[in-house]
Amino acid sequence: GAVVSQHPSRVICKSGTSVKIECRSLDFQATTMFWYRQFPKKSLMLMATSNEGSKATYEQGVEKDKFLINHASLTLSTLTVTSAHPEDSSFYICSIETATSYGYTFGSGTRLTVV
Amino acid sequence: TQLLEQSPQFLSIQEGENLTVYCNSSSVFSSLQWYRQEPGEGPVLLVTVVTGGEVKKLKRLTFQFGDARKDSSLHITAAQPGDTGLYLCAGVNNNAGNMLTFGGGTRLMVKP
Repeated sequence: GAVVSQHPSRVICKSGTSVKIECRSLDFQATTMFWYRQFPKKSLMLMATSNEGSKATYEQGVEKDKFLINHASLTLSTLTVTSAHPEDSSFYICSIETATSYGYTFGSGTRLTVV
Repeated sequence: TQLLEQSPQFLSIQEGENLTVYCNSSSVFSSLQWYRQEPGEGPVLLVTVVTGGEVKKLKRLTFQFGDARKDSSLHITAAQPGDTGLYLCAGVNNNAGNMLTFGGGTRLMVKP
């Protein structure tokens, strides 16, 4: 099956700084990638759909200027949390849709802690 | 907005017991998927059900898709401590860009 690599797995940053999270599809050309946010002991909430070569589609309530998404190639999408605040601390997960199995492959997630 | 209600939210059982997790919606989905997630990891796909009434078995796990494709269940027989984790159902709507809609999750703990 497809392999999705997410980096970094953990990051701690200071308030006001920006953090970039990378999501790579290692063996599948993904025109679409998805970014989720997960709070402790909660389910996944879709933040945005990343489209290769075009603008991302954000879900209602997600600030596009705060969560910058870039999908410049078929194998890489990045999520940048700008001017991070403690309330942005969360588990961020990306995924791609693999058409062969109707399923989605998820990255291993990034634990962001803003102090 | 399509919503998936998952129950129970938490379940703590002894090794060897059986359990069922339910996933219900008022909306029809093109397909429904079940994932298992361990702490600090991304969800891992267990199964996809596509046809109404479909039943799939994966060792001790039995997945069922409702006839109307609005609900699904996951039954685990003779649970083991290794089954401990967060179980997530997710619906797919082909008419909405194949976007996944997740249920709230069921946190299962199987005690030895």
